[in-house]
Amino acid sequence: EAGVAQSPRYKIIEKRQSVAFWCNPISGHATLYWYQQILGQGPKLLIQFQNNGVVDDSQLPKDRFSAERLKGVDSTLKIQPAKLEDSAVYLCASIPGMTSGRWETQYFGPGTRLLVL
Amino acid sequence: QKEVEQDPGPLSVPEGAIVSLNCTYSNSAFQYFMWYRQYSRKGPELLMYTYSSGNKEDGRFTAQVDKSSKYISLFIRDSQPSDSATYLCAMTLGGATNKLIFGTGTLLAVQP
Repeated sequence: EAGVAQSPRYKIIEKRQSVAFWCNPISGHATLYWYQQILGQGPKLLIQFQNNGVVDDSQLPKDRFSAERLKGVDSTLKIQPAKLEDSAVYLCASIPGMTSGRWETQYFGPGTRLLVL
Repeated sequence: QKEVEQDPGPLSVPEGAIVSLNCTYSNSAFQYFMWYRQYSRKGPELLMYTYSSGNKEDGRFTAQVDKSSKYISLFIRDSQPSDSATYLCAMTLGGATNKLIFGTGTLLAVQP
């Protein structure tokens, strides 16, 4: 079974530029998460999709961050314009089914490492 | 106060040592408790999870949850150089989002 795929693996941009990350979850996984992991910190949830609907985006800085999962499969996360403090690893994770109150293992991709200069 | 506190380390031990990793938390409603291992430049991978209080053992790894003290632990017996990684505790209320709240991670180095 192929894992969660993410691209690019690394990105360097200047502040105020825009950037986009792509995630392809494990085949058939209905729920997809984007996390931000700043150096020396644990991952922080940015947004959760269930199929193509948003379940939780309470911690997404909506003035600059946006995400979509149009066909309920792969997803893109965009930052526009980027700030220095956006330098982090952006992780994508997925779980097989709908969240139903029962905990399920989240499978993480390798992440995209972003450096904003 | 952060919801989940974890000593960031780094922790350096000789091969074969017993390692103890710990987290404390403030939200008594957390139901599921997990330990993830993260190698450098990789995504986190689940090591173990526990529902509510109690102990769980898997090979060289033992997870403990003490909900009365809001304290969780991971023990690694006979540590190996391949155990060198960052260990992240995480917890969730469960429910509709299964939103994970992570600790900061502890960097462990096992010296051969």
